[in-house]
Amino acid sequence: QKEVEQDPGPLSVPEGAIVSLNCTYSNSAFQYFMWYRQYSRKGPELLMYTYSSGNKEDGRFTAQVDKSSKYISLFIRDSQPSDSATYLCAMSYPGGYQKVTFGIGTKLQVIP
Amino acid sequence: DAGITQSPRHKVTETGTPVTLRCHQTENHRYMYWYRQDPGHGLRLIHYSYGVKDTDKGEVSDGYSVSRSKTEDFLLTLESATSSQTSVYFCAISESNISGFPTYEQYFGPGTRLTVT
Repeated sequence: QKEVEQDPGPLSVPEGAIVSLNCTYSNSAFQYFMWYRQYSRKGPELLMYTYSSGNKEDGRFTAQVDKSSKYISLFIRDSQPSDSATYLCAMSYPGGYQKVTFGIGTKLQVIP
Repeated sequence: DAGITQSPRHKVTETGTPVTLRCHQTENHRYMYWYRQDPGHGLRLIHYSYGVKDTDKGEVSDGYSVSRSKTEDFLLTLESATSSQTSVYFCAISESNISGFPTYEQYFGPGTRLTVT
């Protein structure tokens, strides 16, 4: 079993829809949770970053962490065609030279 | 891409030849990383560096070596390229926090697409 599981999609939604992207994980030591966005043939770019449990909002994006269920989510409100990309979850734990574990990414297409 | 460049951006090479990929940063960040990205596997850490001449292995380091002689440059070498090393290679950087450990945010370069025939 992989430490981080993420559905690769693809996920197609109409413009303006609310998008929910999710990851599950097995390592209860993870404390830091990130979401990266990767456009086709580009490097990943950090989108959201949260520590431990709870919600974090940034514009149209909301990240949620439920440590009791080992489940994280990224919500995109009022989705736009420019949101079409692959979304990678990533997580890490404290101590030392931290190793970040990435999900395989979910490919999202927002249709105009 | 946060002041990170990678060269070359594309390379086709033959099995058995040595290949060196370069990562250059202008951010003066202490930590640098090499990842490979393959379908179904996501990003996997090859090697990382925590300072000049300080490097360590990641989860998929076999067949790769690295060097860092300057803060701004981190080189990845495939000693004898194999077809299984066909991949997209990303360099990433991160700052260090007040305790000297890396912060959890990593910033990625544009990638190098390597094909080994």
